[in-house]
Amino acid sequence: GENVEQHPSTLSVQEGDSAVIKCTYSDSASNYFPWYKQELGKRPQLIIDIRSNVGEKKDQRIAVTLNKTAKHFSLHITETQPEDSAVYFCAVEAAGNKLTFGGGTRVLVKP
Amino acid sequence: DVKVTQSSRYLVKRTGEKVFLECVQDMDHENMFWYRQDPGLGLRLIYFSYDVKMKEKGDIPEGYSVSREKKERFSLILESASTNQTSMYLCASSLSYGGRGRGNTIYFGEGSWLTVV
Repeated sequence: GENVEQHPSTLSVQEGDSAVIKCTYSDSASNYFPWYKQELGKRPQLIIDIRSNVGEKKDQRIAVTLNKTAKHFSLHITETQPEDSAVYFCAVEAAGNKLTFGGGTRVLVKP
Repeated sequence: DVKVTQSSRYLVKRTGEKVFLECVQDMDHENMFWYRQDPGLGLRLIYFSYDVKMKEKGDIPEGYSVSREKKERFSLILESASTNQTSMYLCASSLSYGGRGRGNTIYFGEGSWLTVV
């Protein structure tokens, strides 16, 4: 089955700096790559996604880049703010509309 | 707004007990999922269902079973709870567009914290 690795597992950044989280996957047939954010005590929620026919997608301060050849994709958060502190999960869609998730990255934005 | 509701947020059960975790979604989604969340391991898929009375094993089905008698309801069953099943359980649902890569957003419930003692 699909294998998704996510790095780093924890990330501490100063408010205003950028944060980058990287995921690699194993199945070259995968075509959909969402990112979920989970705030403390809350459910994971979709923040951005990308499909394999696109190399980059932006939504305000967050962006995702995809390199299908190398089988990796990354989440970029610019101008980080305290409310960006959360656990972020990358995911890859496997056959059957099910998602395989990475291990998560705990992001702490220090004021 | 999609709503996925897990009836029990916090449960404490004894080893060997049968445990039911219930999940209901209100958006007529075909797909429903049960994930388990553990620190450092991300979200691991236990079981999923494409339709009523249909179920398929995920990555870690051992020790679990599921039931989907109605489209909106998906239950996770621990036949005989063990301490290594202490975890957070997340139910989720999505529409089924068919075909890989169509990108169905998965909506999660709030989670059920299960402690087995």
